[in-house]
Parts: sequence; C-alpha cells; structure tokens
Amino acid sequence: AQKVTQAQTEISVVEKEDVTLDCVYETRDTTYYLFWYKQPPSGELVFLIRRNSFDEQNEISGRYSWNFQKSTSSFNFTITASQVVDSAVYFCALRRYSTLTFGKGTMLLVSP
Amino acid sequence: EAGVAQSPRYKIIEKRQSVAFWCNPISGHATLYWYQQILGQGPKLLIQFQNNGVVDDSQLPKDRFSAERLKGVDSTLKIQPAKLEDSAVYLCASSPDAGGYTGELFFGEGSRLTVL
Repeated sequence: AQKVTQAQTEISVVEKEDVTLDCVYETRDTTYYLFWYKQPPSGELVFLIRRNSFDEQNEISGRYSWNFQKSTSSFNFTITASQVVDSAVYFCALRRYSTLTFGKGTMLLVSP
Repeated sequence: EAGVAQSPRYKIIEKRQSVAFWCNPISGHATLYWYQQILGQGPKLLIQFQNNGVVDDSQLPKDRFSAERLKGVDSTLKIQPAKLEDSAVYLCASSPDAGGYTGELFFGEGSRLTVL
C-alpha cells in the first residue's frame, strides 16, 4: 500500500523567513515518482516538481528547493525568503504507475 | 493553451438530489481523472479514463457515482442520490501521457458541492 504523510497541518511564518514542509512516504516499489503541488485559494492545484526514485539529487528552483532522501523516505520542500504569495496549501504526492496518492497537505500562511 | 475547464464552480443541493459536473481537459490529453477533495484532506482519486476507457474506478462509490467520457474528450461525473458526506470539491485533471505513468497532472479549479 502507498501512503504519504505530511505531519504539519499548518505553518505560520513572517515574510522573508525560510520554511520547510515535510513529506514522508511509504511504498514497496523500487520505481516511483514523487511530486509537490501547490493549491492557492483559487483551488487549482499547480504542479511544482517531479522526482523519480532513481534521482536523489537535490533540486533548486529560485526560492524553492527539494531534498529527497530514500534512506528516510522523505521528500522535503524548502521555501527560502518566503513571500505572502507563497500562502497556500502544499501537497506531496506519490505516483505508482498511473495512480497518484496525495498527502493531507500543509497549509502555509505567510504574513507581511 | 487553455487549461482544464470545469463547471459548475459551485453547487448546493439537498440530500437525495442528483448533481452532475462537467470537465473539459486540455486539448490532446489522453488521460482524464476525477478526484474528490474533502475539506482538510488531500485529493482522492475517484476514476481515471484513458481516452474513453476506464483505467481505474476502484474508489468510485458505484452505487451512487457514475462517470463517462463517451468521445474521449470531455467527461461528466454524476452523483445520484447525494449524501451529506459527498460535500467536497470535485477536481478534474488531465495528463498528456497516454499511460499516465510519469507525467504531471494539470488540474481544473474544481467544482465545490455542498449537500444540505
């Protein structure tokens, strides 16, 4: 069975602070894909990143960075110098074949 | 490029009534998904189509939910009769890869259903 756990229900930070969103996954597969999606108040889920299970290189995209560690089954997401526009619900997801399993999400509130 | 279109955005009905949601995926996307997102939870897959065939409907409550994608393009999700616990946002998504194995999903803004 596949499972994604996002233990942080809600995080509040002040603008310009760095924040890390945690994601822990469970799977018996050796080949799988991990995703992060952002859901702003408008409701539309926006794709942020995809990683496959064979690529453990960390990735940086602007203020966003991702740390994938197979040894701890974690795929954490860090926002550097957070901005008010980063306020949203962030979902981590695990994909096996065509099935995408989402975590419960972490609501990030960035105040000015 | 136009995104995934869904309608209606909001619907309020009483329990035991019926409701239908429509989705038009991004042009050319072979795979279409319907997800249910209950408040405070992550989206849960209801049904996946590849072209006009069903790939996975294992979590669709078939006694009350039905979905179709007759011409392999747009899709309709129906609930009849609705229950209070069906109150949720129904998200439609599409994916360009035929197998739906590795590609990202593109989501619509969702249809919010409230059952009273």
